[in-house]
Amino acid sequence: KQEVTQIPAALSVPEGENLVLNCSFTDSAIYNLQWFRQDPGKGLTSLLLIQSSQREQTSGRLNASLDKSSGRSTLYIAASQPGDSATYLCAAPFNSGGSNYKLTFGKGTLLTVNP
Amino acid sequence: AAGVIQSPRHLIKEKRETATLKCYPIPRHDTVYWYQQGPGQDPQFLISFYEKMQSDKGSIPDRFSAQQFSDYHSELNMSSLELGDSALYFCASSSSSGANVLTFGAGSRLTVL
Repeated sequence: KQEVTQIPAALSVPEGENLVLNCSFTDSAIYNLQWFRQDPGKGLTSLLLIQSSQREQTSGRLNASLDKSSGRSTLYIAASQPGDSATYLCAAPFNSGGSNYKLTFGKGTLLTVNP
Repeated sequence: AAGVIQSPRHLIKEKRETATLKCYPIPRHDTVYWYQQGPGQDPQFLISFYEKMQSDKGSIPDRFSAQQFSDYHSELNMSSLELGDSALYFCASSSSSGANVLTFGAGSRLTVL
């Protein structure tokens, strides 16, 4: 069984600050790891996907790293903006048999960027 | 590029009624997943289908059932609705021949009154 933990549960920062969101997972035999953004009451927007063979992925001001051996991933947001305010979810796959991989989500980090 | 299409986007039902949610996966994706996200909760896995057969089952109530059809679209049927069934229901699809990357739909919001 895969368990995903995200720290902190909530984070409030002033605009322009760089920040790091943390994610840990128990089953290190993962195929990949995804970071999602979710605005209140809205759907899941995939931000970054890191394959198990990669150590990091970058998209604009976002950088995600993956350390399988320690069971950790981080999402780094540079020069934060009020528009970055949302819940950020980390999700790791769990192979329950055969070719089926289901995602297990962390409880998310609620980020608030204050103008 | 085509995404995962879910319908309806919003649905309001009374207690004890029945609701059906539909999901149309990305073309050539053979696996469909259903997730339920209650208010303030993380998405919880309900059930998945691979090549029209149920492949895995999570915390899906007995009142719920689902199937995947020959065109790979999937439907989640919910009966005897309870207030606690009010949630966002997400469908995701993936290809077993790809990198097993799940792509999520925008979700269907069910409100039970």
